[in-house]
Amino acid sequence: AQSVAQPEDQVNVAEGNPLTVKCTYSVSGNPYLFWYVQYPNRGLQFLLKYITGDNLVKGSYGFEAEFNKSQTSFHLKKPSALVSDSALYFCAVRASSASKIIFGSGTRLSIRP
Amino acid sequence: DSGVTQTPKHLITATGQRVTLRCSPRSGDLSVYWYQQSLDQGLQFLIQYYNGEERAKGNILERFSAQQFPDLHSELNLSSLELGDSALYFCASSVEEGRGREQFFGPGTRLTVL
Repeated sequence: AQSVAQPEDQVNVAEGNPLTVKCTYSVSGNPYLFWYVQYPNRGLQFLLKYITGDNLVKGSYGFEAEFNKSQTSFHLKKPSALVSDSALYFCAVRASSASKIIFGSGTRLSIRP
Repeated sequence: DSGVTQTPKHLITATGQRVTLRCSPRSGDLSVYWYQQSLDQGLQFLIQYYNGEERAKGNILERFSAQQFPDLHSELNLSSLELGDSALYFCASSVEEGRGREQFFGPGTRLTVL
């Protein structure tokens, strides 16, 4: 069975500081990993994905994520946070052999000025 | 704007009723997914269609059904509604059913069951 965990319900960061939103996963076989962001009263927006290749993936709005196979993690990072980054972030995983995608419970990111 | 449209934006109805939510995927996308987002259960995958055929099923109740039509739009039918069905329902689409493909989400339909 596949699963994904976002251990932090909320992450608070000061503007200009680096941010990390954590995600760990469990799948059989190779994972496809995704990050999505949800702004208030909006649908989810795709940020980035890992399919294969380079472990460091760069995405929209200056975000990046690092795939770590040994730690089964796919943490989302940004070197310098903006107030406009405040939103709900979802990690998702799909095994290469599976038909369903599983979303994490979401992490609310709050950037204070 | 993702290019995925959903109607209606809001729906208020009573317990025991039936409603239909509609989704139009992005132009060229063949795969449609339905999700339910509630405060206590997070984002739950319901069902996926690809070019008119059901491809995957998630935590979809028997009271719920969906279909994808030849023009690729999709409808999610919810019947015998209960208070607990109140949630945001999202539709998403992707260009194909390839498992590495990202999904593009619509703005959602907020369902309130009174």
